[in-house]
Amino acid sequence: AIQMTQSPSSLSASIGDRVTITCRASQGIRNDLGWYQQRPGEAPKLLIYAASTLESGVPSRFSGSGSGTDFALTISSLQPEDFATYYCLQDNNYPLAFGQGTKLEIK
Amino acid sequence: EVQLVESGGGVVQPGGSLRLSCAASGFTFDDFAMHWVRQAPGKGLEWVSLISGDGSTIDYADSVRGRFTISRGYNKNSLYLQMNSLRTEDTALYYCTKAKMEYCSSTSCYAMDVWGRGTTVTVSS
Repeated sequence: AIQMTQSPSSLSASIGDRVTITCRASQGIRNDLGWYQQRPGEAPKLLIYAASTLESGVPSRFSGSGSGTDFALTISSLQPEDFATYYCLQDNNYPLAFGQGTKLEIK
Repeated sequence: EVQLVESGGGVVQPGGSLRLSCAASGFTFDDFAMHWVRQAPGKGLEWVSLISGDGSTIDYADSVRGRFTISRGYNKNSLYLQMNSLRTEDTALYYCTKAKMEYCSSTSCYAMDVWGRGTTVTVSS
């Protein structure tokens, strides 16, 4: 099974900061990766699919990159509503697998 | 409006069974793969199972394979998860989710664009 490793596990940042979260797959997964945001008490929300395609309605400050084994989610200028936990998910191979999550907190 | 509503959660003893349901509306249910994803208290997301729109593709996480069975009710707009031989580690909030791409029955097209609010399963003696 493919393992997904996110880093960092947690991150403190300020409003307006640019932040990057990474996700590494244990083997190549082409661009078969999505990013999800989960705010406390809410269901997760799809942000990015196919590694770099922005989901409809998601602000353009979110972007995704990468291919193969290394991927990144970048938020260009943090807004208050962006403080949440972020997960990557690979759908290149069965079974599907999430990363362990990155909690983004206010500094 | 596209909507998913889960039901069937509850408290069950170890070794017991439970059947979760998910009622779908607002889209052509038979055209989309569906997933179950769970989240243990205070923990991250864990993918549990998927079924393609036509039911030809089914897969499970290793942690539930052989104990859980996913199915869908055609013309009923419903997704199910039969959970047998439950363990304490199955305690979680279970989400029903919809695949974004139509007619997805292979890898690379399973991004989840709609999520329900979840139903809670507690396995405890």
